[in-house]
Amino acid sequence: DAGITQSPRHKVTETGTPVTLRCHQTENHRYMYWYRQDPGHGLRLIHYSYGVKDTDKGEVSDGYSVSRSKTEDFLLTLESATSSQTSVYFCAISVIRETNEQFFGPGTRLTVL
Amino acid sequence: AQSVTQLGSHVSVSEGALVLLRCNYSSSVPPYLFWYVQYPNQGLQLLLKYTTGATLVKGINGFEAEFKKSETSFHLTKPSAHMSDAAEYFCAVSEGDMRFGAGTRLTVKP
Repeated sequence: DAGITQSPRHKVTETGTPVTLRCHQTENHRYMYWYRQDPGHGLRLIHYSYGVKDTDKGEVSDGYSVSRSKTEDFLLTLESATSSQTSVYFCAISVIRETNEQFFGPGTRLTVL
Repeated sequence: AQSVTQLGSHVSVSEGALVLLRCNYSSSVPPYLFWYVQYPNQGLQLLLKYTTGATLVKGINGFEAEFKKSETSFHLTKPSAHMSDAAEYFCAVSEGDMRFGAGTRLTVKP
């Protein structure tokens, strides 16, 4: 089975501070994704990566940046956190590329005060 | 672009009753369809999927779903609900990109 860890699992921060969330996979999957989950919205794509140093924007990318310097790590950065970015963030990997079946990490709960 | 509509943000059933969670999608091409389940404070787990072939697909924990192209639907069912089925369920459609429905929270009453 694919393995994904996310760190930290919980974070409380203040408005205006930078925050970086980390996603680490133990497999060698090329595609990785960052989503946010909010009540009534399901999961919405923030950014995704299709290889080392190859990233693209998703549906709700404003206020977020990503980096992927190694296949196994995908970082999500909030340059200046706002209260609207309080959410649960999930990382996922595409385990079957043809169908884009995705496997999800355990999530990071971020609270911006 | 594809989209997903889940009818009913909350569904409540009694233990032993039929579970029916509705999902309709829009897609310009034959889609790949998924149901994911999320238990409290956990990530999403794949419940079942339709890719090609048989339109009635079986998943884990006794759940199944039927792809009906004419109705653009992929409803999730389970004949007899168990307390452990209480969770949030997400329908998703993939045309390359994955789009998720807003989710349906299932409550099971004793």
